[in-house]
Amino acid sequence: QSVLTQPPSVSAAPGQKVTISCSGSSSNIGDNYVSWYQQFPGTAPKLLIYDNNRRPSGIPDRFSGSKSGTSATLGITGLQTGDEADYYCTTWDDSLSTVVFGGGTKLTVL
Amino acid sequence: QVQLQESGPGLVKPSEILSLTCSVSGYSISSGYYWGWIRQPPGKGLEWIGNIYHSGDTQYNPSLRSRVTVSVDTSKNQLSLKLSSVSAADTAVYYCGRFRSDGYFDYWGQGTLVTVSS
Repeated sequence: QSVLTQPPSVSAAPGQKVTISCSGSSSNIGDNYVSWYQQFPGTAPKLLIYDNNRRPSGIPDRFSGSKSGTSATLGITGLQTGDEADYYCTTWDDSLSTVVFGGGTKLTVL
Repeated sequence: QVQLQESGPGLVKPSEILSLTCSVSGYSISSGYYWGWIRQPPGKGLEWIGNIYHSGDTQYNPSLRSRVTVSVDTSKNQLSLKLSSVSAADTAVYYCGRFRSDGYFDYWGQGTLVTVSS
């Protein structure tokens, strides 16, 4: 049972937009920055979004992040088949004194 | 460009100690930042293990604290992970990474699979 709650899977058609939610609490998302990772099978996670909504160099602006209260959202526009991957949200939890991850969301581009 | 590479035995027997090393290139560990370990059991999600600052200050996942030691060797620009009394539940891909104070890993190693089995 992950501290952060993500939907197990989402799907959308190529060219469409999809959002992935990440729900937490006041001790984690509510009080800290949220980051997102993209992971393809057999590879290491790749930083996609940090500080709630900032993109590292090289990440296209099709990827966006937002945070409101104790929830965060990853948005992906102009979906491509190459976006099919697992996506994880993460933050620090002040009560647990740990880095916490969501359970991951598998994105399928139909 | 910062690069990390994990190394160590791919097979560990139950009750023994899992030991991994992460070699860092392109950045000197002694220059700053926390460095840490994350693991991912086959087919499952990510779990943070612990972080260490170049000074030796450590942060550990409370669920693993009693069995984990993370250390750093600045002369070799490496960090290490030791996990004691392993069981099959510790079978996972183990990653090392550079941890930023805002709570994310910006650079990751490619990961190494460690299987706990007799």
